[in-house]
Amino acid sequence: GAVVSQHPSWVICKSGTSVKIECRSLDFQATTMFWYRQFPKQSLMLMATSNEGSKATYEQGVEKDKFLINHASLTLSTLTVTSAHPEDSSFYICSASGGVTYEQYFGPGTRLTVT
Amino acid sequence: KQEVTQIPAALSVPEGENLVLNCSFTDSAIYNLQWFRQDPGKGLTSLLLIQSSQREQTSGRLNASLDKSSGRSTLYIAASQPGDSATYLCAVIPGYNKLIFGAGTRLAVHP
Repeated sequence: GAVVSQHPSWVICKSGTSVKIECRSLDFQATTMFWYRQFPKQSLMLMATSNEGSKATYEQGVEKDKFLINHASLTLSTLTVTSAHPEDSSFYICSASGGVTYEQYFGPGTRLTVT
Repeated sequence: KQEVTQIPAALSVPEGENLVLNCSFTDSAIYNLQWFRQDPGKGLTSLLLIQSSQREQTSGRLNASLDKSSGRSTLYIAASQPGDSATYLCAVIPGYNKLIFGAGTRLAVHP
């Protein structure tokens, strides 16, 4: 149980284009989803927290107009990187929470490369 | 501001050794502490979650302890195997739902 998927697993895009990453909870209802980014050999940094049906809460320093997060249902959240630039290249990981213990379950990650 | 530090940053050992990975945090007011494993280019696998009222958790060859008052947690891996090679991340949960990660310990176990 508690499986979280991400799509795509990797994506290459050109500078200036937008990219959408999906995060799905497959076997439970995720009232809260989280988006992290991870640079090589560094730890995960929380970007934003989203509750189903509400606007996302962004961490300090994360541009909300650049990283658009939508959590329209209890099983799906999307992260759209708008007008991507090479410095946005990173590993993006989502997690979902919905149980009594509030434990987060992580997706497999999406590798974004902006050329 | 809560900060999580993991020592060592990297570790290379021969198969069969017992290992100790350390995690320290600056603010002892935490809800839970969790240890994860991350394989290269992959997501996170939860290993052990220790609630603030607990002092340790065990799963197979893994044992994690928590000392909130001193701001420390230790992950003990018994009889290490090459399949244990990965990055091990410690995360504290200071409140509702939020995880703050350390930078991780990169472990290599060679045959």
